[in-house]
Amino acid sequence: KAGVTQTPRYLIKTRGQQVTLSCSPISGHRSVSWYQQTPGQGLQFLFEYFSETQRNKGNFPGRFSGRQFSNSRSEMNVSTLELGDSALYLCASSLNSNQPQHFGDGTRLSIL
Amino acid sequence: AQKVTQAQTEISVVEKEDVTLDCVYETRDTTYYLFWYKQPPSGELVFLIRRNSFDEQNEISGRYSWNFQKSTSSFNFTITASQVVDSAVYFCALSEAYNAGNMLTFGGGTRLMVKP
Repeated sequence: KAGVTQTPRYLIKTRGQQVTLSCSPISGHRSVSWYQQTPGQGLQFLFEYFSETQRNKGNFPGRFSGRQFSNSRSEMNVSTLELGDSALYLCASSLNSNQPQHFGDGTRLSIL
Repeated sequence: AQKVTQAQTEISVVEKEDVTLDCVYETRDTTYYLFWYKQPPSGELVFLIRRNSFDEQNEISGRYSWNFQKSTSSFNFTITASQVVDSAVYFCALSEAYNAGNMLTFGGGTRLMVKP
């Protein structure tokens, strides 16, 4: 069974630009969550999508948004990039609520 | 609000030693779930175990064992006879059932270094 796939693996952007990250969940998993990992703040929850609806949202500014498609694939978008957005962005999928989440390898975003 | 604390930021042991990683959590919810994840240098978070708040039985899986104590709000993880391949960052995490979702709150992680 294929795992969670995130693309791209690495991305370099400049301040003010916007970026879209993609996540394909494990087949059959309907919940997709996104997390940001930085050395200073650790792992922080961004948002979760289930059946194309945002079910939970973390404490991040509106520049961070996401969506989920009917095939459960998800994208997250960050607009007006700031230096502090440099991080590893991890996507995780699970069957349903409070089930183990399985993570992808992440997208490492660097802002210059 | 929920919180997870992993007081040990870094632990260094010699191969074959036993090591315990501590995890203390805070939650107001009576139904919650606790998790441990391993993050090797490659970066991917690997699921190790899930425990719900009503199941206080300890669990053993090979060299890994977990001790869940609600009375002290702790969910500790022990590796017996550690190996170099166990070197990684280990995260403890909590999710609360009330939000019907998958919002994991992670601890700061413990970096385990196992030397040959």
